[in-house]
Amino acid sequence: GIQVEQSPPDLILQEGANSTLRCNFSDSVNNLQWFHQNPWGQLINLFYIPSGTKQNGRLSATTVATERYSLLYISSSQTTDSGVYFCAAANYGQNFVFGPGTRLSVLP
Amino acid sequence: NAGVTQTPKFQVLKTGQSMTLQCAQDMNHEYMSWYRQDPGMGLRLIHYSVGAGITDQGEVPNGYNVSRSTTEDFPLRLLSAAPSQTSVYFCASSPRGAGNIQYFGAGTRLSVL
Repeated sequence: GIQVEQSPPDLILQEGANSTLRCNFSDSVNNLQWFHQNPWGQLINLFYIPSGTKQNGRLSATTVATERYSLLYISSSQTTDSGVYFCAAANYGQNFVFGPGTRLSVLP
Repeated sequence: NAGVTQTPKFQVLKTGQSMTLQCAQDMNHEYMSWYRQDPGMGLRLIHYSVGAGITDQGEVPNGYNVSRSTTEDFPLRLLSAAPSQTSVYFCASSPRGAGNIQYFGAGTRLSVL
């Protein structure tokens, strides 16, 4: 099945800084989602983005399906952005697979 | 619109006990699935269902049973709990298959002593 990798594994930022998180996947996809898991363990769906670019406030995401990667951009980071960011993808007819996550800590 | 509802939120079991984790969705989604998340790791698929009466195994199915008698409900059964099943369990649903946007419940934190 599809394999999903994320980088970096850990990221520490000062409040106000920008960051880019990367997700690589091993095969073509018909689903790619970015999630934020907050410190209470809740999974928040950020983007459904199998291709193209989307923006939602300070967050945006781009998936280049032909090159098998997706990027999540966080601008002007806030302490509430802390947590783990997961990328997950599904190949046609196969199951939804999660990457190992990027742990983000935003310091005040 | 409640979305995906999981109960209970927390549970402590003794080794060998059985229990059922409940998952219900009110969006008339065909596809439902169960994941477990171990500390410091991503989510791994346990079982999934593409519709009422149809279930299949995911990556880590051993020790778990599922059934899908209705579109709305997809319970996960632990037949004889083991400490290795200590984890956080998430249920998800989507309109059709893994290629559609997945909606997740709030999770059930399970400890097996």
